[in-house]
Amino acid sequence: GESVGLHLPTLSVQEGDNSIINCAYSNSASDYFIWYKQESGKGPQFIIDIRSNMDKRQGQRVTVLLNKTVKHLSLQIAATQPGDSAVYFCAETLTGANNLFFGTGTRLTVIP
Amino acid sequence: NAGVMQNPRHLVRRRGQEARLRCSPMKGHSHVYWYRQLPEEGLKFMVYLQKENIIDESGMPKERFSAEFPKEGPSILRIQQVVRGDSAAYFCASSPRKEKLFFGSGTQLSVL
Repeated sequence: GESVGLHLPTLSVQEGDNSIINCAYSNSASDYFIWYKQESGKGPQFIIDIRSNMDKRQGQRVTVLLNKTVKHLSLQIAATQPGDSAVYFCAETLTGANNLFFGTGTRLTVIP
Repeated sequence: NAGVMQNPRHLVRRRGQEARLRCSPMKGHSHVYWYRQLPEEGLKFMVYLQKENIIDESGMPKERFSAEFPKEGPSILRIQQVVRGDSAAYFCASSPRKEKLFFGSGTQLSVL
């Protein structure tokens, strides 16, 4: 089956710095992507999504970039805070498909 | 508007017993999904249901596992004759339509 992978399993950043979490996807037909944040002992929390007809989408302190040419997705977090410490997953799907495919995740640790 | 509710949060079973996991979707959501997560891994799709119908169960083992979403009441994921390999976190998600999933806090199943 198709897979979604992340380049870095762990990422440590200083509080106040910007964070960039990367994701590679293999299914070129995927047209909808979501970033989720999962804190310890909790379920994944929706952060931001993007469709394949867009290259960039911004939310509050977060930006998702999509590069369809190289099948790459990234999540940028501005002014990272201790509360941002969590595991971040990218997920991909195809419009009309029955499920999301999740990557392994990147653990973000914010150093005060 | 309450989020996706799952219970129990923790479930301990001995090998050979049955496990029942419950999920109440968000109000107005008719799509329910079950995912399984092993430690330090991403979520794996199991089954997708709409009211009274199983739409896609391609990720669910054909033996011992079953799911339902009755007209009234929560969705149930049932695991018969549990084995140690069933130990995992099981997450339910709901959606008003496909794609954008909202997750519950999960049920941690431990099989002794």
